[in-house]
Amino acid sequence: GAGVSQSPSNKVTEKGKDVELRCDPISGHTALYWYRQSLGQGLEFLIYFQGNSAPDKSGLPSDRFSAERTGGSVSTLTIQRTQQEDSAVYLCASSFPGGDTYNEQFFGPGTRLTVL
Amino acid sequence: AQRVTQPEKLLSVFKGAPVELKCNYSYSGSPELFWYVQYSRQRLQLLLRHISRESIKGFTADLNKGETSFHLKKPFAQEEDSAMYYCALMTGDDKIIFGKGTRLHILP
Repeated sequence: GAGVSQSPSNKVTEKGKDVELRCDPISGHTALYWYRQSLGQGLEFLIYFQGNSAPDKSGLPSDRFSAERTGGSVSTLTIQRTQQEDSAVYLCASSFPGGDTYNEQFFGPGTRLTVL
Repeated sequence: AQRVTQPEKLLSVFKGAPVELKCNYSYSGSPELFWYVQYSRQRLQLLLRHISRESIKGFTADLNKGETSFHLKKPFAQEEDSAMYYCALMTGDDKIIFGKGTRLHILP
């Protein structure tokens, strides 16, 4: 079956521009997570959704970052007024709190963001 | 504070030698722990979880609550084990905390 997909796979933007990153989770997965992966920083938790609501936004680095999820499915991570330090790979993962894959995170391929 | 610590950024081991990737956690509740692996040019994927108590690709990990550790072990390293390994903790409110990762390099 289809796994988690993310688009675009690569995004190059100029400092100060806004970007939108999209995540399509596995159908039926109620939880959706966003992470940032930087060299030397490992995986940094950004935000997660349970259904359409985000119980924990504490990982968002600044108010330039926001995320939404609609219909319990697709999620969009928006970065406004991008800065060079936002350059990283942004990973999305989804999970289902039950069954054989109980709480296993299924990751997408990531979006590599480069801010010039 | 909730935290996952992987003290080694890079671990180089000869093929056939034992491997131990260290993971320590800080969490006041009952932890749910995982090891994830990312092979070159592949997605991050689950390797094993402590509640399953299983061996995957020869790897095992035992939760030691006294030492707050969840070290990943394999008795005989293989070249295909070279990858980035992340230890992760799931908290009671479904938040996932990852360690910074350890790059395992198997030497021929």
